[in-house]
This record gives sequence, C-alpha cells and structure tokens, in this order.
Amino acid sequence: GAGVSQSPSNKVTEKGKDVELRCDPISGHTALYWYRQSLGQGLEFLIYFQGNSAPDKSGLPSDRFSAERTGGSVSTLTIQRTQQEDSAVYLCASSSRTSGGAGEQFFGPGTRLTVL
Amino acid sequence: DQQVKQNSPSLSVQEGRISILNCDYTNSMFDYFLWYKKYPAEGPTFLISISSIKDKNEDGRFTVFLNKSAKHLSLHIVPSQPGDSAVYFCAAIQGGSEKLVFGKGTKLTVNP
Repeated sequence: GAGVSQSPSNKVTEKGKDVELRCDPISGHTALYWYRQSLGQGLEFLIYFQGNSAPDKSGLPSDRFSAERTGGSVSTLTIQRTQQEDSAVYLCASSSRTSGGAGEQFFGPGTRLTVL
Repeated sequence: DQQVKQNSPSLSVQEGRISILNCDYTNSMFDYFLWYKKYPAEGPTFLISISSIKDKNEDGRFTVFLNKSAKHLSLHIVPSQPGDSAVYFCAAIQGGSEKLVFGKGTKLTVNP
C-alpha cells in the first residue's frame, strides 16, 4: 500500500524566497504531523493536524512558518522569507489514531531544504 | 532543554553480538516510549514501543527495557545483523498529547 509521500524530495532556494513543501498522508489517516531535523539534531515537532480540529501550532519556530491541510488529506508547509537556519530535512508523518496520544506515526521520506 | 537524550552519537558492534542503545528522559509525565529506525534518505520507521506500566517489551530480536525510577530506557538487539546498521531514535510521548519528543539519535554500525 502507499505510504506517506512528500514532494519535492530536495529543494534548494535563495535566502528570502518562499517555499512550499507538500505531504500526502496515508489514506484514511486522520492525524498529520510535520517535523524537521536539522543537522546533528533530533526530530523537532512543528505542527499537528487532527481531523477537523484546530491544528496544534505550538512547535512552529516563527511566524514565517505556516501549514494547512485541505480536505483532511494533503498538507502544505509554507516557509516565507527563508533564512539559512531553515535548512533542514522536513518530515511529514501520519497516524490513524484519533485521540489520546501514544500513536505509531508513519513517516514520509522527507524534503531536504537548503537555503543558500 | 532536551527532554529526551541519547548520549551516544554512535555505536559499533560485531555481527552476531548484542547492540545496546540507551536513552534517558527528564519529563516524568512521559508515559509511552518508542524507538524508530532511520536509513539514509528515508523517513524513520517504527520499531518497537513500551508503555510506562511495563518494564519490558520484546519483539523478535528487539527488546526494550524501561526503568522508570532512573528515567532510562534501552533497546537491545540480539543478534545484531549488518542490516541493522541505521540511526536509531528514541522518542517519548505524554499522555493526552500527540507530540513525539525525539532524542538526537544513535548511529549503529554492525560490522560483518
């Protein structure tokens, strides 16, 4: 079956430009997460969507970061006015759990973002 | 402040021997712990988990041990195989939350 897919796999951009990263979760999964992994670091939580509830944006590092999830499926993470410190691998995950935490999250392959 | 710590960035073991990967945490509210395995250019894949009400969970060659009083967990791989070579992330979650808190990972190399 199809897993979580992300596009593009690699993105190189110039400082100050906006970028959009896309995530297609596993069909039927209601929960969707964005993480990022900077060089030498663990995965850092960014944002979480669950069904039609308001997203948990508590991990977004600045107001240059935003994400949306249309129709409860595909999600787009947007970074405006990119900075060099935004360079990282951005990972999307989905889960079938509806509440209560402690779920197995299925990860996509990630988008490697490089800001020059 | 890192809530989940993997103090060994790398570990090298011989094929057939035991691999022990360690993880410490500081948040006593964490009640579920997971290990993920990551190959280069791929996303992490779930390996094994343990609830805080248990102290051991076993799945084939993989066993996770939890010592709540020490806020420590470990992943044992026996016997280790070259295909186990990957980065292993420890993660923790607090009841009622959906946020996984990850350690920085340990790169395991299993030598043939």
